[in-house]
Amino acid sequence: RKEVEQDPGPFNVPEGATVAFNCTYSNSASQSFFWYRQDCRKEPKLLMSVYSSGNEDGRFTAQLNRASQYISLLIRDSKLSDSATYLCVARSFNDYKLSFGAGTTVTVRA
Amino acid sequence: GAGVSQTPSNKVTEKGKYVELRCDPISGHTALYWYRQSLGQGPEFLIYFQGTGAADDSGLPNDRFFAVRPEGSVSTLKIQRTERGDSAVYLCASSLTTGTTEAFFGQGTRLTVV
Repeated sequence: RKEVEQDPGPFNVPEGATVAFNCTYSNSASQSFFWYRQDCRKEPKLLMSVYSSGNEDGRFTAQLNRASQYISLLIRDSKLSDSATYLCVARSFNDYKLSFGAGTTVTVRA
Repeated sequence: GAGVSQTPSNKVTEKGKYVELRCDPISGHTALYWYRQSLGQGPEFLIYFQGTGAADDSGLPNDRFFAVRPEGSVSTLKIQRTERGDSAVYLCASSLTTGTTEAFFGQGTRLTVV
C-alpha cells in the first residue's frame, strides 16, 4: 500500500466553481503535510503547508484530520490558471523524506 | 537564476549504457534530494544528502544506481547498464537545512532508455 493515496481525478470544473479533494496517509507517524502543485512537464512547487487547525491561503483552504488520517484541499472561485496536478505530501517527525501521492488532476474550463 | 539547476534536461540513451545526471542546488542549501517520477505517478524518493554524505540511500532501486556530492554542492546521479524501466523524469530538490519546510525542485532530467 502506498504511504499517500489520492483520488487521481480528473476534476473538471467551470471557472468560478469550488472544487475539493482529499488524500489519505497510512503512516500514523506522519507529522508534516503539504500540498504541492505540478504543472504539465514542470517541477513540483510548494502550494501550501497544512496545519492541524486548518489554514487558508487566498482561495485555497487546507484541512487535516489526524483521527481519520486524511488531508483535504479546497479551491474556491476556480481560475483557469488553477488547472494543474495537486500532489499531497507527508513527512514523518524528524524525517527529511517527502512522501508524495500520485496527484489529483484539476482542469478548470472557461 | 537562483533556482535548482539540472542538466541535461533531456537524455536519450541506449539500453546498457551508462548515464550521469547533474544537479546544481540553490547556493547555501545543505540538504539535497533525488526523486524519480514516472508518468502518472508522484515523485518517488531515491537518495538524500546532508552536506557531502548520503544520509539515506534507501530509495535507490538497485546497485546500478549511485549518487555523489563530493564538495557538498553539486550532485551527480549515476546509472550503470541502463534498462528501459529506468526511463522517467529524475528530479533534484534542495532545502536550506534538514527539515526545512520547503524543498525547491529543479525542472528535472527526462531520461529515455531505448
